Amino acid sequence: GAVVSQHPSRVICKSGTSVKIECRSLDFQATTMFWYRQFPKQSLMLMATSNEGSKATYEQGVEKDKFLINHASLTLSTLTVTSAHPEDSSFYICSASEGQGWSEAFFGQGTRLTVV
Amino acid sequence: GQNIDQPTEMTATEGAIVQINCTYQTSGFNGLFWYQQHAGEAPTFLSYNVLDGLEEKGRFSSFLSRSKGYSYLPLKELQMKDSASYLCAVRDSNYQLIWGAGTKLIIKP
Repeated sequence: GAVVSQHPSRVICKSGTSVKIECRSLDFQATTMFWYRQFPKQSLMLMATSNEGSKATYEQGVEKDKFLINHASLTLSTLTVTSAHPEDSSFYICSASEGQGWSEAFFGQGTRLTVV
Repeated sequence: GQNIDQPTEMTATEGAIVQINCTYQTSGFNGLFWYQQHAGEAPTFLSYNVLDGLEEKGRFSSFLSRSKGYSYLPLKELQMKDSASYLCAVRDSNYQLIWGAGTKLIIKP
């Protein structure tokens, strides 16, 4: 199957700093990338959907100025958590899709962010 | 509103058979997905249904009834490594994935 690489897998940062998470599709062109957040023992919560070359669409309640998403190419999307706080500590997962219709969503390995 | 329901937790014995159910109410339907997620890891794809009936894919088959808004994932010959959460997700009319909360499957020797 297709491979999506997410980096870093774990990051610890100080409160107030920014953290960038990368999501790369290694062997296909990801027209659409999705960013999810998952708190312990909870389901995946979609944060935003990004299409290559256009602005991301954020879900209700997700601050776009805090969670900056860039999808500059068909193989790379980045999520930057700005001015991180302890409550932002979570498991962040990206997934990538080649398009609509039957498009299996391929997931990255996830990034566990801990803000201290 | 949109809703995906799955049992929170199930327990089964190694070697046994278990069936994980998923019911959904969504605005439109463009397919139902099953994913497996081990603790601390990203979900991995198991199965996909868009038409009614049983979709067989190796160890992981899945059944769909669109009229009933219902799917199930049968797991046979359970192994300890099958201990994980199983997530049901439905793609709605906007092609967004709506996720269930997942079913934690505990397998005992």
